[in-house]
Amino acid sequence: ETGVTQSPTHLIKTRGQQVTLRCSSQSGHNTVSWYQQALGQGPQFIFQYYREEENGRGNFPPRFSGLQFPNYSSELNVNALELDDSALYLCASSRWENSPLHFGNGTRLTVT
Amino acid sequence: RKEVEQDPGPFNVPEGATVAFNCTYSNSASQSFFWYRQDCRKEPKLLMSVYSSGNEDGRFTAQLNRASQYISLLIRDSKLSDSATYLCVVNLNTDKLIFGTGTRLQVFP
Repeated sequence: ETGVTQSPTHLIKTRGQQVTLRCSSQSGHNTVSWYQQALGQGPQFIFQYYREEENGRGNFPPRFSGLQFPNYSSELNVNALELDDSALYLCASSRWENSPLHFGNGTRLTVT
Repeated sequence: RKEVEQDPGPFNVPEGATVAFNCTYSNSASQSFFWYRQDCRKEPKLLMSVYSSGNEDGRFTAQLNRASQYISLLIRDSKLSDSATYLCVVNLNTDKLIFGTGTRLQVFP
């Protein structure tokens, strides 16, 4: 069974730029969630996708957006990057809503 | 008040010790509960779900007290490999999991 994979592993961007992070869900999982984890904090929910539709959103501004594709892979897009966007971005998939999440190894984004 | 609160630690314990972590949550409507483990600069990994009746998995025991809105994790016979951050996680039966900030455990020889 293939686990959750994310790319890239690390990324450095400049304030004001845009970034796209990618995630491939675990086989058989049709729900994908994205979390932001700042240093020393727990992961914070950004949004969830189920069958290509946004299924819930956390307290993040509209410049955070996402997509889920028919093969259940997903993208997180962040526009107009700010210094505070520097964090570990985690993608997680689950077999159905509210079942335990399985996380990818994350993308560490640094905004300078 | 934070939705999920944990003592950040660190808890420094010798090998073989028993250590307990506590967690409180603010929303009484919370439906499901988990403990995740996160190693330094790695992703969180599910350690165990937490059930109302309490549950055990080897050296790990999780307890839930709904009346007090309190979750605990007990680790017996600590190993060096148990050193990690332990995240308390709550689900309101909605689309998102709510994570605590984590409790850091360091087991020394």
